[in-house]
Amino acid sequence: DADVTQTPRNRITKTGKRIMLECSQTKGHDRMYWYRQDPGLGLRLIYYSFDVKDINKGEISDGYSVSRQAQAKFSLSLESAIPNQTALYFCATSDPWGQGKGETQYFGPGTRLLVL
Amino acid sequence: AQSVTQLGSHVSVSEGALVLLRCNYSSSVPPYLFWYVQYPNQGLQLLLKYTSAATLVKGINGFEAEFKKSETSFHLTKPSAHMSDAAEYFCAARASGTYKYIFGTGTRLKVLA
Repeated sequence: DADVTQTPRNRITKTGKRIMLECSQTKGHDRMYWYRQDPGLGLRLIYYSFDVKDINKGEISDGYSVSRQAQAKFSLSLESAIPNQTALYFCATSDPWGQGKGETQYFGPGTRLLVL
Repeated sequence: AQSVTQLGSHVSVSEGALVLLRCNYSSSVPPYLFWYVQYPNQGLQLLLKYTSAATLVKGINGFEAEFKKSETSFHLTKPSAHMSDAAEYFCAARASGTYKYIFGTGTRLKVLA
């Protein structure tokens, strides 16, 4: 089974709708992240969480909110979806205490979102 | 502010030829550096990382990268391209003591038969 899973994998929604993207991990990592990927722009950080009680905005958090329901679960919500939120969304985890220096991020398979 | 620049959004090489994907970072302090690969319809997978130990880092699938502080570069190479190397490659950096990863815009590698 995959260590980091995302649901749904694909989603089509309409402008103004509220949607939630979910991320679960079995790696036991405290740190979780949400990114969006747009062609030619690479990955940009939306939100990150260092533990259940610690949630922080990334560089492009406007229009998004998150919930860290448990160590293993981190959800991203679009309160009122708009077309320019059409993108590929990735969840990632990391463990600052493992693997020595250079904390590695582990990515889920992504959710492809289309907002009409 | 820290940034990561990948020269060339698309690179094409012939099967068996050398692969060279360029990455430069801007930082007053050498960061931790990473190369990730993304195959179609998949998430990013770590290829290799630099953590201030050896400047030449070997990764999976025959890839390696050399950290050059004087050039602020961390270019990715593979001596002989294989068709299965066709993917998008991302360079990323994280400054020591920070949480934030900065990603480059990616380079899509095409391998020609």
